[in-house]
Amino acid sequence: GAVVSQHPSWVICKSGTSVKIECRSLDFQATTMFWYRQFPKQSLMLMATSNEGSKATYEQGVEKDKFLINHASLTLSTLTVTSAHPEDSSFYICSASPNRNEQFFGPGTRLTVL
Amino acid sequence: GQQLNQSPQSMFIQEGEDVSMNCTSSSIFNTWLWYKQDPGEGPVLLIALYKAGELTSNGRLTAQFGITRKDSFLNISASIPSDVGIYFCAGFTTGGANSKLTFGKGITLSVRP
Repeated sequence: GAVVSQHPSWVICKSGTSVKIECRSLDFQATTMFWYRQFPKQSLMLMATSNEGSKATYEQGVEKDKFLINHASLTLSTLTVTSAHPEDSSFYICSASPNRNEQFFGPGTRLTVL
Repeated sequence: GQQLNQSPQSMFIQEGEDVSMNCTSSSIFNTWLWYKQDPGEGPVLLIALYKAGELTSNGRLTAQFGITRKDSFLNISASIPSDVGIYFCAGFTTGGANSKLTFGKGITLSVRP
């Protein structure tokens, strides 16, 4: 149980294009989903918290117009990196929480912007 | 902001040895979680601790939630090569819209066969 999937697992795009990453909780309903980014050999940095049916809460320094988050259902959240640039290249990981005490992570999406 | 301290950054042990990792914080957390991350993968939850003083085991793993709620340790006994990875501690402060995980910087574990 508690399986979270992400799609795609990796993506390469040209600078200036937009990329959408999906996060799904496969066997539970997630009242809250979280989006993180991780640079090589570093810890996970929380980007935003998203609750189903409401606007995402972004961490300080994260541009909400650049990283669009949609949490349309209890099993799906999407992160869209708009007008991607090389500095946006990173490992993006989502997590889903069925309650307030646990988070289960997806396998991550490797984004490379050329 | 809240921070979790994990050190050292890397640990090297021999296969079969036990290893202990510590995590400390200047803030109180309501829940402590230990995750393992393999390269190119998302973190996998190993053990969750919900009560101060709680000692929980999961196979060869044992973790304890410190009585002050400001620290936790993870023990791995009889290490094997597949224990290699990055071990993160994370603290969860629950409470309305501000519920979120704070991660330590992780400890990279290497196991020599």
